[in-house]
Amino acid sequence: DSGVTQTPKHLITATGQRVTLRCSPRSGDLSVYWYQQSLDQGLQFLIQYYNGEERAKGNILERFSAQQFPDLHSELNLSSLELGDSALYFCASSVETGTGGEQYFGPGTRLTVT
Amino acid sequence: GQQLNQSPQSMFIQEGEDVSMNCTSSSIFNTWLWYKQEPGEGPVLLIALYKAGELTSNGRLTAQFGITRKDSFLNISASIPSDVGIYFCAGPSVTDTGNQFYFGTGTSLTVIP
Repeated sequence: DSGVTQTPKHLITATGQRVTLRCSPRSGDLSVYWYQQSLDQGLQFLIQYYNGEERAKGNILERFSAQQFPDLHSELNLSSLELGDSALYFCASSVETGTGGEQYFGPGTRLTVT
Repeated sequence: GQQLNQSPQSMFIQEGEDVSMNCTSSSIFNTWLWYKQEPGEGPVLLIALYKAGELTSNGRLTAQFGITRKDSFLNISASIPSDVGIYFCAGPSVTDTGNQFYFGTGTSLTVIP
């Protein structure tokens, strides 16, 4: 158990809908990272927050947004969902301020868009 | 964008054999991380490397940070069935659009009892 929690574990929704994925980092970790893992794309870095502020941005679509709250939990919002958004979404956390730190991953949320 | 290429893509080995896999990059990395992922689970950190030439072990696993800083290697000795999974290298890189974090293409390991 990495200490990172994600909810829900599974999510099934229809195209055009909006969903929110939630992540709680390990105790003491200030950085949260979001990743998308699909069969044909591997693990893709989406975005990083550190202590409530956006720190780094990867290949995140404009339809996706994230935020980190004062209690350090983070939410990833996916809107106008398309079939291609079906994937595993992972959250990771680290104590480091930059992106070079060791990241610990949650169990993931499996999103299925029908 | 940056790509971390791992080889081999997949391996099928007998229990007890040693395993070697590598990861190469087109640019320099200052940190290399190795993760293992099992089906339906999140990646689990195995080893972190922070210095060129560094050799670090974690039980039967040994990883090395290449001297050129563009590659890294992972060895598993005396493989056992629970070593099955996908092994990923990963690392941060500073680009002209800011910090990015990259994962390799993965090496799938199957251990035959």
